[in-house]
Amino acid sequence: DTAVSQTPKYLVTQMGNDKSIKCEQNLGHDTMYWYKQDSKKFLKIMFSYNNKELIINETVPNRFSPKSPDKAHLNLHINSLELGDSAVYFCASSHEGQGGEKLFFGSGTQLSVL
Amino acid sequence: SQQGEEDPQALSIQEGENATMNCSYKTSINNLQWYRQNSGRGLVHLILIRSNEREKHSGRLRVTLDTSKKSSSLLITASRAADTASYFCATDASSNTGKLIFGQGTTLQVKP
Repeated sequence: DTAVSQTPKYLVTQMGNDKSIKCEQNLGHDTMYWYKQDSKKFLKIMFSYNNKELIINETVPNRFSPKSPDKAHLNLHINSLELGDSAVYFCASSHEGQGGEKLFFGSGTQLSVL
Repeated sequence: SQQGEEDPQALSIQEGENATMNCSYKTSINNLQWYRQNSGRGLVHLILIRSNEREKHSGRLRVTLDTSKKSSSLLITASRAADTASYFCATDASSNTGKLIFGQGTTLQVKP
């Protein structure tokens, strides 16, 4: 069983469209994250949620809106997609999100905006 | 701002050799972690070293931490072709938010 699963794996879309990426973890963790990895492999945190509550909200355009219906799910909705949004988006989870914990990552969603 | 920076950016060695990757960071940390990323896959946690630890081992992995120099190193001994991947350090300087800041990684190629 995949611990952290995200869908879709590949997403190709036109500029201006709205798209969503879904993430689910079956580890019973309280905290989930979204990270963005650019073409130079630089990985940057975007958001984190702890038990459905927003904890970390980095300087991300408000076109990006995370939604956590329950602590096992953290979805990412992106409005009005731009070329610069092209990247690989990773979902991750950790036990409590208190620090000093390892993260479990999904396999990534490669977003290509044309 | 970016916290961790890995050095070298790319490393190519022969199977059986040792591989050493370095990470430098800028601010005080609570702990530092190393992750591996195989091509097209998510990151996998390798090892965590706390700020009061100087060295840690896990199988063929050896991590050191020098907080006075704000640097860490990851040594992979007796490398294998399967070790080919990108390796990232991540620093945790948070006040209990679990926020990790990653470097850009070292791409390791182990030739059979």
